[in-house]
Amino acid sequence: EVQLLESGGGLVQPGESLRLSCAASEFSFSGYAMTWVRQSPGKGLEWVSSISNGDYTTHYADSVKGRFTISRDNSKNILYLQMNTLRAEDTAIYYCAKGARSGSYYWFDPWGQGTLVTVSS
Amino acid sequence: EIVMTQSPATLSVSPGERVTLSCRASQSVSSNLAWYQQTPGQAPRVLIYGASTRATGIPARFSGSGSGTEFTLSISSLQSEDFAFYYCQQYYNWPLTFGGGTKVQIK
Repeated sequence: EVQLLESGGGLVQPGESLRLSCAASEFSFSGYAMTWVRQSPGKGLEWVSSISNGDYTTHYADSVKGRFTISRDNSKNILYLQMNTLRAEDTAIYYCAKGARSGSYYWFDPWGQGTLVTVSS
Repeated sequence: EIVMTQSPATLSVSPGERVTLSCRASQSVSSNLAWYQQTPGQAPRVLIYGASTRATGIPARFSGSGSGTEFTLSISSLQSEDFAFYYCQQYYNWPLTFGGGTKVQIK
């Protein structure tokens, strides 16, 4: 069974940085695109960033572009999200999700259980 | 950006009833649409992809239809475990976008 385990969340002050990790197992990590999706408290789902499996092409939501960086280490089967200059509106549960198929566009299956990021002074 | 609009925001239904949820795209997404279910405290799980294909392990009471800009998710006979939030997502173009969600609650 595919496993995705996020870590690295916590409480930080506005302007600080945080790096999230997602450890993947039980599938060929290097063969799939990976994604971060977030959910603010009591709100809906917001796609944050994706990285392809082949050429490591990255995509970002406008709300995080220039502040967040997605990356992957295929040798360790880990997905990362480096989050800089954090704002209160970045407070959310951050989910790691696997692209469900190869190709440029995809749905997400499965999802990890998420890690909570709280940005507050 | 393709905007996904779900309606209604909340649906109050009784167990055993049939429900239909709607999702509209601001421009055509062909059949590149997925539906997810999220129960409280849990991560979302995919129900439907390709607008109408059930994901592995999803009961037959869930069905999806539509193409272009109009989509529906139907649950033929609501079970207790189906009371949850439902989200649609287009994967036709970047940025990938979700609808705002529909909450299906017990009447």
